[in-house]
Amino acid sequence: KNEVEQSPQNLTAQEGEFITINCSYSVGISALHWLQQHPGGGIVSLFMLSSGKKKHGRLIATINIQEKHSSLHITASHPRDSAVYICAVVAKGGGADGLTFGKGTHLIIQP
Amino acid sequence: DTGVSQDPRHKITKRGQNVTFRCDPISEHNRLYWYRQTLGQGPEFLTYFQNEAQLEKSRLLSDRFSAERPKGSFSTLEIQRTEQGDSAMYLCASSPPDRDGWRNYEQYFGPGTRLTVT
Repeated sequence: KNEVEQSPQNLTAQEGEFITINCSYSVGISALHWLQQHPGGGIVSLFMLSSGKKKHGRLIATINIQEKHSSLHITASHPRDSAVYICAVVAKGGGADGLTFGKGTHLIIQP
Repeated sequence: DTGVSQDPRHKITKRGQNVTFRCDPISEHNRLYWYRQTLGQGPEFLTYFQNEAQLEKSRLLSDRFSAERPKGSFSTLEIQRTEQGDSAMYLCASSPPDRDGWRNYEQYFGPGTRLTVT
């Protein structure tokens, strides 16, 4: 079982819909990242969380440390939001802080 | 451009050949990471440097893989005797130094090097 599980794996929605992507993890963490990857491979960091909630434009990320769960929300979705969204964690106790990644959620927003 | 850069962006090689990739982190970032991502999967951790010291290597990093960061700035990842299973995107990321005793967990990713082994 992967230490980081994301759902759904694939999501197709209409422009304007509210989008939620979920991430569950099984280890203690120091931080959780939400990343965006467009075709071609480049990865952009959207959020880094260790508690609570963060908002940037139409994107909102929340984390519940006790439940080992995080969500990424997109309000008023737009076709340019189409990408793969990846949850990644920094496991506690590891000296390297190398990220452990989920498999990603492939999001398509149709006009 | 002051982001993380990687070179080359694409590499096609024949099985059995050696390849070397380069990563230039953001200036003054003392931590550097290599990851590998195969098609349809999330990236996987390969190795980590703090300054010039390689502090951790994943069991994914077989003897054919070697990474260096000789002066604590750029890093190279070499794959010897490439195999078709090595075909993947190789990603580099860097992190800023700790601040006021607090660990900085931010990571900034490069564009990746896509390797195809034929």
